[in-house]
Amino acid sequence: SAVISQKPSRDICQRGTSLTIQCQVDSQVTMMFWYRQQPGQSLTLIATANQGSEATYESGFVIDKFPISRPNLTFSTLTVSNLSPEDSSIYLCSARPISYNEQFFGPGTRLTVL
Amino acid sequence: GQQLNQSPQSMFIQEGEDVSMNCTSSSIFNTWLWYKQDPGEGPVLLIALYKAGELTSNGRLTAQFGITRKDSFLNISASIPSDVGIYFCAGQRGAGTYKYIFGTGTRLKVLA
Repeated sequence: SAVISQKPSRDICQRGTSLTIQCQVDSQVTMMFWYRQQPGQSLTLIATANQGSEATYESGFVIDKFPISRPNLTFSTLTVSNLSPEDSSIYLCSARPISYNEQFFGPGTRLTVL
Repeated sequence: GQQLNQSPQSMFIQEGEDVSMNCTSSSIFNTWLWYKQDPGEGPVLLIALYKAGELTSNGRLTAQFGITRKDSFLNISASIPSDVGIYFCAGQRGAGTYKYIFGTGTRLKVLA
């Protein structure tokens, strides 16, 4: 398995600002993902974070709004830019360990935009 | 994006009862995962299934990979209050597709 931590666990931000979420895995992983989840709803994949190259974004998500970095095999960041109240949500980091097809999740970051 | 259908959407049960839920799709999947999510937490992996017909247990939880490969089932025996939460299935089609598609979730509430 993989133990995943996220920082911050929650934040309240003003409209127009940005928030960067950090994700750290305790072991090297092949794939890292970022999801968005409205409370009580299912998970929506934002993008796959690729090590050393640009992230792969899902339909409806763009790099300018959700820039992602992945400098190595254990760390990634997601920035939510130019915040609006519609960005209020839970953001989850997920990772797939090397040689495993199972996927593990961090505890999430709860973002509230005022 | 695409989601898998889970049923029931929510359920209230008495403590000690058995629980059954399922996850269905019109497409064939090669891998099924089942997660539980507590309020304010990330999803926790419960069981992974890799072969059609496979039956796997984890304590009081038992999950099955449907024979048609289009569905999966999760059973919880003798439910307890801490079983409360949202249960998600996730399926992977394989054949070069690395992404998991997540289900709509089943919200379980246990009455003591």
